[in-house]
Parts: sequence; structure tokens; C-alpha cells
Amino acid sequence: SQELEQSPQSLIVQEGKNLTINCTSSKTLYGLYWYKQKYGEGLIFLMMLQKGGEEKSHEKITAKLDEKKQQSSLHITASQPSHAGIYLCGADGAGTASKLTFGTGTRLQVTL
Amino acid sequence: DAGVTQSPTHLIKTRGQHVTLRCSPISGHKSVSWYQQVLGQGPQFIFQYYEKEERGRGNFPDRFSARQFPNYSSELNVNALLLGDSALYLCASSFDADTQYFGPGTRLTVL
Repeated sequence: SQELEQSPQSLIVQEGKNLTINCTSSKTLYGLYWYKQKYGEGLIFLMMLQKGGEEKSHEKITAKLDEKKQQSSLHITASQPSHAGIYLCGADGAGTASKLTFGTGTRLQVTL
Repeated sequence: DAGVTQSPTHLIKTRGQHVTLRCSPISGHKSVSWYQQVLGQGPQFIFQYYEKEERGRGNFPDRFSARQFPNYSSELNVNALLLGDSALYLCASSFDADTQYFGPGTRLTVL
């Protein structure tokens, strides 16, 4: 079965600083999804990457997919308190996004 | 448009009882998936239903069952509850086998 490892497990950054979260898969990535979760709440869809080398951006968040390394990264520029939460990567190793395998998450805190 | 809705938001049960969780997908979405998220971990896939048929099942015991109704809403049933079933249960919907959108979850506590 596919496993996703996220690093770091937790992160505390000062407001305005940049940060990167990594997600590494044990198997080939057909599609990689990034979600954000506030503690105890549902997941908010951020971005989906499907092709090797693909890069997508939304506001101050950029995600990249390195198919050869079976890895994705999420980069936040000039972090804000609103970026705080748990970031989860999910993979559809079976070729369908309806059966995602998730990493354990990266907890981000942004200090003033 | 309304997002995915789930009910109830919180639930407290005792060991051995059964529970039914409900999910209404985004209008037009035909696929519903259920996930279990234990504290400190990522969500784990339980079931997927598409057009009222089970299309996938995760590594969960037979105490877990689900169904999808003609209006595409879904129910997750768990029998003979164990303490380890305490978790956030998430429902997600998608139009086809594409991007899933999650509901707010149901927090189940088993005492």
C-alpha cells in the first residue's frame, strides 16, 4: 500500500517568513492533492498536481510535483496568521481521487 | 452553492452501541467517500460510493457499513462501537473520480 511521509511534522514561523512543507510517496504518484485543515474541522482543498514538474500557485501558496522523486512540496511566501493550520497531502495511487491516501500532516503555527 | 454537509456535528456513544452518520454531497456530485481521522493522524479511507454502488472499501472491519441514496446522500453505520472508533468522520464528495471536497466532519466519542 502507498504511504506518504510529510516533513516537518510541525513548524513554527514568524509572520512574514517563508516556509516549505514536503510530501514524499513510497510509490508512483498519479495525482497529489494538498488540503488545509483547521483543528478538528473539515479539509479545505488547496491544489491538485498531476504531471511531473507541474507547479501551481494560489495567492501566496505554491505547490510543485517532482514525479521522479515521488515528492511534492508546498511553499508559503510571506506567511500570515491565516496560514496557520494542518497541511495534508493526499495521493490517488489507485488512479482515482475518491480513495486518497493521506500523510500524517504538518502543523503550522505563525507567530506575530 | 452549499458545500458538503454532515450531521450530527458531535456525538457521544458508549461501547457496544451503534451509530449512523449522515452526509449530503454538493449538488450535482455523484460520488461520496468516507474517511476516519484519528487525533494526530491523517484521514483514512473507509468507503466510496458512486451512483449508489460501492466502488471501494478501505481496511476496516465489517462493523462499518455504508449506503448511498437516490439523491446521492449517504449514511455511514458503525455497529458494536469500540473505544478505538472515537475519531472525526469526514465525508467528501466529487462529481466523478476527481477532486474531493470535504464536509466539516462528525466528531464521535465512544465512552
